[in-house]
Formats: sequence, structure tokens, C-alpha cells
Amino acid sequence: DTEVTQTPKHLVMGMTNKKSLKCEQHMGHRAMYWYKQKAKKPPELMFVYSYEKLSINESVPSRFSPECPNSSLLNLHLHALQPEDSALYLCASALAGVGNEQFFGPGTRLTVL
Amino acid sequence: QKEVEQNSGPLSVPEGAIASLNCTYSDRGSQSFFWYRQYSGKSPELIMFIYSNGDKEDGRFTAQLNKASQYVSLLIRDSQPSDSATYLCAVNSLRGGGFKTIFGAGTRLFVKA
Repeated sequence: DTEVTQTPKHLVMGMTNKKSLKCEQHMGHRAMYWYKQKAKKPPELMFVYSYEKLSINESVPSRFSPECPNSSLLNLHLHALQPEDSALYLCASALAGVGNEQFFGPGTRLTVL
Repeated sequence: QKEVEQNSGPLSVPEGAIASLNCTYSDRGSQSFFWYRQYSGKSPELIMFIYSNGDKEDGRFTAQLNKASQYVSLLIRDSQPSDSATYLCAVNSLRGGGFKTIFGAGTRLFVKA
């Protein structure tokens, strides 16, 4: 298995909803990442997990809450989002340690109404 | 000064020509460098990575790195219309608890048939 999967592909939620984005990989990678990408902009790093521990948090608002239950899974819990949070949310994974190349999942297109 | 800079383009080349994409970065401690291709509405796809000064070739693609000049480039030989996409330069630097990847804004490439 050489891919990163993300569910759902599309998500529409209201500002009072609670939802979760899921990411899974079975490549033995021990670093996993969440990015946010707005239209015509580059991906912006949100969180990095290394060996299931949060190693980088880019001062993301607390309405985004990451979770890494095990080495293959990464979740992003969403609560009380704002319309400006609408974006493509990308998960990536990499061999941990020396800044190895990251492989991206297809992303979740999130719309906040 | 942006941490990773790219010419936003668009860069337009005829089919069969060489496309040259450039990127500069500000952190001298950066350790690894990546080129991603992103088609509209899709997630980034890794094209090349390079860690050492010099050239690295893979098929029609050549990555070039000059750490002294803080410059990395991507050459695409025999450009095809299917190469039309946004090319993202990404740089890894060791920050705090882990490696942080910073993306340039991307260069849009059009290959004319």
C-alpha cells in the first residue's frame, strides 16, 4: 500500500457543528502532517506528528484539534469553525527523522456555512 | 523577505521545449528540497527531491541545488501539455521539535501544443 487516504472527500458543515477529518497510511511512515490550502495559495502547515507525538503546532486556532491514535491514523477534529476556514485540508506522511519527502493524500474539501 | 520565493508565472513554453523553474530560500540551515506538481483541484504530487549540491536527474526532470546561493531549480525537458500545472518548491528546515516544510507560492506552467 503506497498511498495516503483521506475521508471524507467533501464536507459541508455549519458553524456550530462538530466533525472530524480522517487520514490513513500503511507505508510505515512515522511522521504525519495536516496542511490547509486556500485557492491559488500554497499549502500551509498546521500540525506535525512524529512517532505519534505532536512535534509542531503552527499556532492554529483551538477550533482545530489534531489527534494521532496510532502510527497509521491521523484525525483532525473540527468545532465551531468560521466560514474563512473553508479550504482544502491535506494530510501527508513521511519517514520521520531527517526531513524526508512527504506524500500527500487527495485532501478533504471543507465548506463552512 | 519570504522564506521560499518562486516566480508566480505563468511560464509559457511550447511543446518539446525545456521549462526552467526557479526557487530561492532564506534559511541557510535548510536541509532538504522538494518539487511538487499540483494540478487544479488535486493534491500536490512529489516530482523530485534533492539534498546535496549539484544536479539530480530523473527521466525528463532535473533538480539543481546550490546551497551557497540558496537556490534550487527544476528543469523539465521535452515539455508536454500534460506538464501544465502549478509547480511548488518546498524546503525543509529543522525547527523546534521537528522538521518544518515551507512551500513557495508556486509557479504556473503552461505547455502549448
